[in-house]
Amino acid sequence: EPEVTQTPSHQVTQMGQEVILRCVPISNHLYFYWYRQILGQKVEFLVSFYNNEISEKSEIFDDQFSVERPDGSNFTLKIRSTKLEDSAMYFCASSETGSFMYEQFFGPGTRLTVL
Amino acid sequence: AQSVTQLDSQVPVFEEAPVELRCNYSSSVSVYLFWYVQYPNQGLQLLLKYLSGSTLVESINGFEAEFNKSQTSFHLRKPSVHISDTAEYFCAVSVAGTSYDKVIFGPGTSLSVIP
Repeated sequence: EPEVTQTPSHQVTQMGQEVILRCVPISNHLYFYWYRQILGQKVEFLVSFYNNEISEKSEIFDDQFSVERPDGSNFTLKIRSTKLEDSAMYFCASSETGSFMYEQFFGPGTRLTVL
Repeated sequence: AQSVTQLDSQVPVFEEAPVELRCNYSSSVSVYLFWYVQYPNQGLQLLLKYLSGSTLVESINGFEAEFNKSQTSFHLRKPSVHISDTAEYFCAVSVAGTSYDKVIFGPGTSLSVIP
């Protein structure tokens, strides 16, 4: 069964460093998403991406964040200068279309720890 | 603005006992409702969804949820839980966005099944 994969599973970094979280969405999906979940809190939407550009982003997704689909398979989230409060689980998701009627499939997540 | 409330952050229940996980939402427009499950160290999986039609929806592993428009609720129930049901459960709503439908998550309920 096709699935969304994410690497690494756990990333530890120093405050101020850049990190890149990688995701491989399901191959025939066209919409891609990043969500984050701070420990003990709810899952929050960060950004959606379609046709090589951002469709929508939340207030959380400030200038420190960027997304890219560098090739036909990977979808990356870059945090330019990490802060302590960026520590969270980051989930990538993909769907066939942008409609709610098509399930968003989630990856297992990358746990980011900023020291 | 749309929001999702899950009143119970933790629900311990004995194996083979029934369980209900509560979910309420607020929205000024029609919404579509979901329950996602997150097993330990895994990503989010769609458990069931309500889009239209019958207000009672079921999952393949014995969970069911009932959409109650007047009470703005979408409670999740199972008549007899198993150890393997231990997980975090997230209620979510989908609202129409500019280019795709955004999923808004509740804070989650941690279900612990006690042998």
